[in-house]
Amino acid sequence: AQSVTQLDSQVPVFEEAPVELRCNYSSSVSVYLFWYVQYPNQGLQLLLKYLSGSTLVESINGFEAEFNKSQTSFHLRKPSVHISDTAEYFCAVSSSGGGADGLTFGKGTHLIIQP
Amino acid sequence: DAGVTQSPTHLIKTRGQHVTLRCSPISGHKSVSWYQQVLGQGPQFIFQYYEKEERGRGNFPDRFSARQFPNYSSELNVNALLLGDSALYLCASSLGQASNEKLFFGSGTQLSVL
Repeated sequence: AQSVTQLDSQVPVFEEAPVELRCNYSSSVSVYLFWYVQYPNQGLQLLLKYLSGSTLVESINGFEAEFNKSQTSFHLRKPSVHISDTAEYFCAVSSSGGGADGLTFGKGTHLIIQP
Repeated sequence: DAGVTQSPTHLIKTRGQHVTLRCSPISGHKSVSWYQQVLGQGPQFIFQYYEKEERGRGNFPDRFSARQFPNYSSELNVNALLLGDSALYLCASSLGQASNEKLFFGSGTQLSVL
């Protein structure tokens, strides 16, 4: 069984400030890690994912996440946020062992950008 | 190209009724997954179908069933509706069935059970 914990339900940040959204996971098997984003009135979209190799992965819009196996974490960071980053962010894991158990999501973190 | 489309967008049912939700994947995608998202929670995996066969099932009762058609579209059926079935039901499609695939989500069907 797998679980994902996103400790912060809401994170308010001023525009152009840095932000970190925390994600910790628990799993008895190796996992793939994902961040999905849900902008207002839109469906979930993949932001970035870690499958293997370099533990630091980046998205095209300036977000990055680092896989830390020892701390079982996959925190999402951005050095300078914009109003357009306002959204709900979901961390998710899936088994890398080939099973079809789908994604296990956290409860989500609402990123609120204040002007 | 059209994204993942779901119908209807909203639905109101009463306890004990049956509901069918529909999903059309992105053209060329052969896998469809269903998720339930209760207000304030993350999506929870219900089913994955690939090439018209069930490949995975989450921890949901037998009242929940699904199928995938030859054109790769899919239906989710829920029998004997309970108040607790009220949720946003999301459909996602992907090219294949691997667990590292990028999922493309639809906007969902909001089901309210009264």
